[in-house]
Amino acid sequence: GAGVSQSPSNKVTEKGKDVELRCDPISGHTALYWYRQSLGQGLEFLIYFQGNSAPDKSGLPSDRFSAERTGGSVSTLTIQRTQQEDSAVYLCASSSTGVSNQPQHFGDGTRLSIL
Amino acid sequence: GNSVTQMEGPVTLSEEAFLTINCTYTATGYPSLFWYVQYPGEGLQLLLKATKADDKGSNKGFEATYRKETTSFHLEKGSVQVSDSAVYFCALSDRSGGYQKVTFGIGTKLQVIP
Repeated sequence: GAGVSQSPSNKVTEKGKDVELRCDPISGHTALYWYRQSLGQGLEFLIYFQGNSAPDKSGLPSDRFSAERTGGSVSTLTIQRTQQEDSAVYLCASSSTGVSNQPQHFGDGTRLSIL
Repeated sequence: GNSVTQMEGPVTLSEEAFLTINCTYTATGYPSLFWYVQYPGEGLQLLLKATKADDKGSNKGFEATYRKETTSFHLEKGSVQVSDSAVYFCALSDRSGGYQKVTFGIGTKLQVIP
């Protein structure tokens, strides 16, 4: 596709369940980021993938959160044993390279609601 | 570490008013600076960028100048429209420890009333 695609757009689940969020970056983009945006808050960095390098996981808030990127393209963010404080919009972004002057291209996000 | 400070909103303006949203940063290296805009229900979109000191980014009537001496990147528009109502994020991008680090401000909500 032309832009970054995220699915699902909305997810409602019960506390304690596991969820998987998917991101399809722009074709050819080597850098991929996940952020969390809570109501009224800015963007909280979660994880960054660059090509075949080891990801920067420094932003993951707990060991319930994990992410992978298969084949250097699609990425999945997994949250295990969800808690109510996990409710937020999860945004994915990609950029053409890991060079700092390249902008990020964002998907529309997945709105996650934990009951 | 790097940080971005931008004015908290919401900012409410009448149509055709002048807009300034302040943004200052701290960074150890030579970052690139960005403004992103988020319309309701959507992801962030790049509005403009500047990659070195004294560069001016501009788009859709918005402008921002990279001021290294004051570590600022204030967003301005001469005449806002209702369609400019959105949340605006200032961001800097730099390389640290082998990774590209992008730091966002908290976002400033702009509401333009007719």
